[in-house]
Amino acid sequence: KAGVTQTPRYLIKTRGQQVTLSCSPISGHRSVSWYQQTPGQGLQFLFEYFSETQRNKGNFPGRFSGRQFSNSRSEMNVSTLELGDSALYLCASSPGTGGRTGELFFGEGSRLTVL
Amino acid sequence: GENVEQHPSTLSVQEGDSAVIKCTYSDSASNYFPWYKQELGKRPQLIIDIRSNVGEKKDQRIAVTLNKTAKHFSLHITETQPEDSAVYFCAAYDNNNDMRFGAGTRLTVKP
Repeated sequence: KAGVTQTPRYLIKTRGQQVTLSCSPISGHRSVSWYQQTPGQGLQFLFEYFSETQRNKGNFPGRFSGRQFSNSRSEMNVSTLELGDSALYLCASSPGTGGRTGELFFGEGSRLTVL
Repeated sequence: GENVEQHPSTLSVQEGDSAVIKCTYSDSASNYFPWYKQELGKRPQLIIDIRSNVGEKKDQRIAVTLNKTAKHFSLHITETQPEDSAVYFCAAYDNNNDMRFGAGTRLTVKP
């Protein structure tokens, strides 16, 4: 079974631009969560999608958005990029039906650098 | 939402020694506590987890303990090896059913 796939793996943008990141979950997984990872800040929760609906959103500005398609693939978008958005963006999938338990399966991440 | 605090942020031990990482959480309704290991340049991967109906779980050199009354749980690694060097994250589900992570502990095992 293929793992979680994220594209692109690396990208460089300049301030003010926007970026779209893609995540393909493990086949059969309906939940996709996004996390921002920066040194010293750990994994900060961005949002979670389940069956094309955003279930929850973390404490990030409205410049961060996402969506999920009928095949469970998910995209996140960051508009008007700022230097502080430079980070590793991790996507994680899970079956999504297990309530408050369940392993998250992470992708390799998309490393965004904003210049 | 859930607030997970993790200590220490860095930990250095000699090969063969034990390492202990501690986490506290705020949501008393949380009942699942996983630990993830992230090696340099790689994705986080689950190494062990514990559910609230048990107090301890072991898997070879790794163990996790949970104290629900005090709302804290710990990761114990015995007989550490250089390949244990990584960043370790604890996590708990918050009341919105989203997994919240601690800030991570960078473990270095010196040969």
